[in-house]
Amino acid sequence: DADVTQTPRNRITKTGKRIMLECSQTKGHDRMYWYRQDPGLGLRLIYYSFDVKDINKGEISDGYSVSRQAQAKFSLSLESAIPNQTALYFCATSDPGTSGSSYEQYFGPGTRLTVT
Amino acid sequence: AQSVAQPEDQVNVAEGNPLTVKCTYSVSGNPYLFWYVQYPNRGLQFLLKYITGDNLVKGSYGFEAEFNKSQTSFHLKKPSALVSDSALYFCAVRDPLYNFNKFYFGSGTKLNVKP
Repeated sequence: DADVTQTPRNRITKTGKRIMLECSQTKGHDRMYWYRQDPGLGLRLIYYSFDVKDINKGEISDGYSVSRQAQAKFSLSLESAIPNQTALYFCATSDPGTSGSSYEQYFGPGTRLTVT
Repeated sequence: AQSVAQPEDQVNVAEGNPLTVKCTYSVSGNPYLFWYVQYPNRGLQFLLKYITGDNLVKGSYGFEAEFNKSQTSFHLKKPSALVSDSALYFCAVRDPLYNFNKFYFGSGTKLNVKP
């Protein structure tokens, strides 16, 4: 089974609709992240969380909100979707980066979101 | 400011030839550096990392990368390219002095390996 899963994998929605993207992980990591990928722009950080009580904005958080329901679950919401939020969205996890840890991030398969 | 630059949007190479995908970085402290690969309709897969020690690190699928502190670079290399290496490659850095829990990504380089 995949360590980081995302649902749905594809979603088409209309402008103004509320939509939630979900991420679950079995790696036991405290750190979880949401990114969006647009062609030519690489990955841009939306939100990240160190644990269920610690949520931080990334570089492009406007128009998005998140919820860390448990250590293993981190959801991204678009309260009122707009067409320029059409993108590929990735969830990722990492460990604290202390001695003995793996240091890198682990990514989910992505959710392709289209807002019409 | 922390940043990663991948100066080439696309790299074209013939199968069997060596390949290089370039990456330079800017961080406050000693960087933790990573390369990821993304195949179409897939998530990012970890290839290799530099944390400390030997400047030449080896990773998955025959890839390697060389950390050069004076040039602030971490170029990805492979001695003999395969058609199956065609994908999008991302360089990333983690800055232990600024915000260790944030990863900074380059814009990606598309590698095309032609038969």
